[in-house]
Amino acid sequence: QKEVEQDPGPLSVPEGAIVSLNCTYSNSAFQYFMWYRQYSRKGPELLMYTYSSGNKEDGRFTAQVDKSSKYISLFIRDSQPSDSATYLCAMSVTGNQFYFGTGTSLTVIP
Amino acid sequence: SQTIHQWPATLVQPVGSPLSLECTVEGTSNPNLYWYRQAAGRGLQLLFYSVGIGQISSEVPQNLSASRPQDRQFILSSKKLLLSDSGFYLCAWRTKTQYFGPGTRLLVL
Repeated sequence: QKEVEQDPGPLSVPEGAIVSLNCTYSNSAFQYFMWYRQYSRKGPELLMYTYSSGNKEDGRFTAQVDKSSKYISLFIRDSQPSDSATYLCAMSVTGNQFYFGTGTSLTVIP
Repeated sequence: SQTIHQWPATLVQPVGSPLSLECTVEGTSNPNLYWYRQAAGRGLQLLFYSVGIGQISSEVPQNLSASRPQDRQFILSSKKLLLSDSGFYLCAWRTKTQYFGPGTRLLVL
């Protein structure tokens, strides 16, 4: 079993839709949870960083961590064509070694 | 603010040729540095990480090596490239989380 599982998609939504991206994990010791956005042929860009459980909101983006279910989510409100990218989740126990999902490809159609 | 640089951006090399990819970080001292390879549909594979000058940990036995000759410089090398070395190579540094460089796309023919 992989440490981190992420549905690769692809996911296609109309502009303005709410997008839900998810990852599950097996290691209950994970404490640090990240979401990255990666445009084609570019390095991943950190979107959201959460320590332990709970929700975090930044503009149109909301990250949720449910440690009891070993499940994290990223919600994108009012999605824009510029949100079209691959989204990677990542996790860490100590903040030193990181485990990544394989990424979900998102296309927002104008 | 901190910045991470990688070069070259794109590289096409013949099988059997040597490789040297460079990563430098600005705006921080004694960073933890990482090399990843990203293959299509396979996510990020950690290759090497370094906690200081001359200190390298290898995660995957392979045709590649890494060196850290200076505090903010991390180099990925190979003596003889294989076709399977093709991919997108990412350097990253860490504070509470990881920040990535722009990447180097390597094509071995």
